[in-house]
Amino acid sequence: NAGVTQTPKFQVLKTGQSMTLQCAQDMNHEYMSWYRQDPGMGLRLIHYSVGAGITDQGEVPNGYNVSRSTTEDFPLRLLSAAPSQTSVYFCASSPGQGARRQYFGPGTRLTVT
Amino acid sequence: AQSVSQHNHHVILSEAASLELGCNYSYGGTVNLFWYVQYPGQHLQLLLKYFSGDPLVKGIKGFEAEFIKSKFSFNLRKPSVQWSDTAEYFCAVTSYGGSQGNLIFGKGTKLSVKP
Repeated sequence: NAGVTQTPKFQVLKTGQSMTLQCAQDMNHEYMSWYRQDPGMGLRLIHYSVGAGITDQGEVPNGYNVSRSTTEDFPLRLLSAAPSQTSVYFCASSPGQGARRQYFGPGTRLTVT
Repeated sequence: AQSVSQHNHHVILSEAASLELGCNYSYGGTVNLFWYVQYPGQHLQLLLKYFSGDPLVKGIKGFEAEFIKSKFSFNLRKPSVQWSDTAEYFCAVTSYGGSQGNLIFGKGTKLSVKP
């Protein structure tokens, strides 16, 4: 198993550009989530999904969209990037919500200039 | 909503000193508790976890944590730190039922160990 994979590893965007951060898992996990990590703020939940076709907002959803058309993939879209979205983004998956183990991807470092 | 508080933003210790990092959570129901570690330039790794049973849990690299339900605490300890323990440590909690099943993190404690 590859586990949780994220692409790209690094990305630089200009303000106003759009992009999609990719996340995929091959463990048939129902639950997937996106976090952003900022210095002094820990990891904050952006969006999560409890299964294909079901998504919901986390703590900091503004400026981000998600969809879950398959169990394996959970892309995060930035429609109009802002400097405040400069961060490291982590995707995670687990067998279900409240599961006793979450599997994290390696992260995507995004810089918006 | 659940929340997790980590008391120390940055802890600086000399090698061989003892470590205790504080963590308190806000939710009063059944919880699962975690400590994660992030070494410089790397992604998160699970250090240890508590689900039920013995409130003293042992993790990797000599770390342990004690769950004290009455204090809503899950403090991380290590008797003697090494330079290689320099990292950022995150306490996290998840529970059951709707959005409470999401993993919620504290803001992290940066540990610097002086050789």
